[in-house]
Amino acid sequence: EVQLVQSGAEVKRPGESLKISCKGSGYKFTSYWIGWVRQMPGKGLEWLGIIYPGDSDTRYSPSFQGQVTISADNSLNTAYLQWSSLRASDTAIYYCARLEMATMVAFDIWGQGTMVSVSS
Amino acid sequence: SSELTQDPAVSVALGQTVRITCQGDSLRTYFASWYHQKPGQAPVLVLYGKNNRPSGIPDRFSGSYSGDTASLTITGAQAEDEADYYCNSRDSSGNHLWVFGGGTKLSVL
Repeated sequence: EVQLVQSGAEVKRPGESLKISCKGSGYKFTSYWIGWVRQMPGKGLEWLGIIYPGDSDTRYSPSFQGQVTISADNSLNTAYLQWSSLRASDTAIYYCARLEMATMVAFDIWGQGTMVSVSS
Repeated sequence: SSELTQDPAVSVALGQTVRITCQGDSLRTYFASWYHQKPGQAPVLVLYGKNNRPSGIPDRFSGSYSGDTASLTITGAQAEDEADYYCNSRDSSGNHLWVFGGGTKLSVL
């Protein structure tokens, strides 16, 4: 079964760092782009960025460039999203999703989401 | 960058047909894809490309395009179709960027 499994919920203080993960299984991890999507409480989906694990090519939404870092460890079939200094406004659910290859538009497999809560 | 615009809310009577639209310049160049999301759940892909449904998605879901607008049509809406629906596509800049629409809340009455 093709799936993406994300790390568990996090509760952090402003200014702290954080790295959340997304582990792929059931397919060749290095052959598919993995994207990250934010959903703030009660709001819609926002695309943050994407990585191609095969060569670590990474792209960011202009809205999130410099705010987060996306990486991957192919030996672990895992992609990561990290913050060096969290803000309360980073409170959201973060999803990883696999980009399907036929159209290079649709995200066909989604992780279950990681809830990140940032509060003093 | 580019934007995708969706109506915030749409309603449909049980068993009737409803169309949800997504408008944006990038849709003149790139396909749209569609997702539904129910409360507390991750989004699920329901339609992509010209008119492709992933395995397990009922054939009452179909798609079409006209100019800068993509449409998702549900023919014979069921109670379980009540959800938030999002479109997404590529950014028209061609710089390997993606974008989501603001979402449409579908109510099945």
